[in-house]
Amino acid sequence: GESVGLHLPTLSVQEGDNSIINCAYSNSASDYFIWYKQESGKGPQFIIDIRSNMDKRQGQRVTVLLNKTVKHLSLQIAATQPGDSAVYFCAESGSSNTGKLIFGQGTTLQVKP
Amino acid sequence: DAGITQSPRHKVTETGTPVTLRCHQTENHRYMYWYRQDPGHGLRLIHYSYGVKDTDKGEVSDGYSVSRSKTEDFLLTLESATSSQTSVYFCAISESQVESRYFGPGTRLTVT
Repeated sequence: GESVGLHLPTLSVQEGDNSIINCAYSNSASDYFIWYKQESGKGPQFIIDIRSNMDKRQGQRVTVLLNKTVKHLSLQIAATQPGDSAVYFCAESGSSNTGKLIFGQGTTLQVKP
Repeated sequence: DAGITQSPRHKVTETGTPVTLRCHQTENHRYMYWYRQDPGHGLRLIHYSYGVKDTDKGEVSDGYSVSRSKTEDFLLTLESATSSQTSVYFCAISESQVESRYFGPGTRLTVT
């Protein structure tokens, strides 16, 4: 079945370093991908999205890379800050045309001062 | 939280009682969604709405109903709450089905 998974459940990085969070997806028909950030006790917050006709998209301190060949998505955070500590999860559009996103379970990013 | 409010934010209720959660948006987005979030499962879609009085089921709709009488409000009702419905419930909105969902702050529901 369709699944969105994450390679590591927890990622610990030093403040100021770059962070890379990975996501594997199984449905090659997915054409839309989103990264969310969720802080404790809050709702998921949209970070950045990318469509399948792109390989890379940049935002403010964040970059999403899409490798359709190996069905892999990554989120890069530059100069990681303590405020970046949160759970990050990806979502994919899946193969149906209903627009029902499939969410991964998340990676916890811990930023060490 | 993108102009989305949820009420109540916390609720404790007893098994067998009906519960209604409310989502209100000020963005005038057409699509509204209810998700539940549980450890080990990620976000799962309960029901969604694609317009006033237009709703459809998600992957975990059993035991839940929804109503949308106005563009800005989307109600989720647990007809007879069970302990398995203890969860954090998130409302989300989007302009279209192929756009990102923007989430509300969540409602933590505990069924005892």
